[in-house]
Amino acid sequence: DGGITQSPKYLFRKEGQNVTLSCEQNLNHDAMYWYRQDPGQGLRLIYYSQIVNDFQKGDIAEGYSVSREKKESFPLTVTSAQKNPTAFYLCASSIGPGTTNEKLFFGSGTQLSVL
Amino acid sequence: AQSVTQLDSHVSVSEGTPVLLRCNYSSSYSPSLFWYVQHPNKGLQLLLKYTSAATLVKGINGFEAEFKKSETSFHLTKPSAHMSDAAEYFCVVSERGYQKVTFGTGTKLQVIP
Repeated sequence: DGGITQSPKYLFRKEGQNVTLSCEQNLNHDAMYWYRQDPGQGLRLIYYSQIVNDFQKGDIAEGYSVSREKKESFPLTVTSAQKNPTAFYLCASSIGPGTTNEKLFFGSGTQLSVL
Repeated sequence: AQSVTQLDSHVSVSEGTPVLLRCNYSSSYSPSLFWYVQHPNKGLQLLLKYTSAATLVKGINGFEAEFKKSETSFHLTKPSAHMSDAAEYFCVVSERGYQKVTFGTGTKLQVIP
């Protein structure tokens, strides 16, 4: 079955540590996205990528970094510069912009907590 | 500027009674509008989407939503609530594909037996 896989499901970060969240899709989608979910704030876009080797900052990119070396993979690194990293992180993908089938597929999420 | 306002953070209904979850939006372009549902410990699932075709959109599990441009609203309804409908619902607006996506703050639906 095609879909989006996020790992790990739970992740703990120590002070000053960088951690990387994995997101893999086998849907052959061009576009991939990272969102952060905080209680009462809905989902906020961190980074998105429309095509391999290209990505753009979203609304809350500070303290995060991404790479898109392969179509299937879009890992998110939460750096030590992110002072409030505790949140639920969701990865998503879509066929791409400008298509008629604008369905956004989501992974099951990663809960990041600070030790 | 693009924004989404979900007017109720919590909605409580009795099983078998109608459901109404309210959403208002603003957009500089002709937006696409979506409703997503998130069940506890599960990922987000698309309920329905509006992309400038019919203004009344039917989704999964008996949900539907009506796009009203004059009121800038996209309210989600269901004639009869089921216990399995208890979840959090997000209204979403996007422009130019998903280049700009804004999620509402969510509405938690409680269904009372």
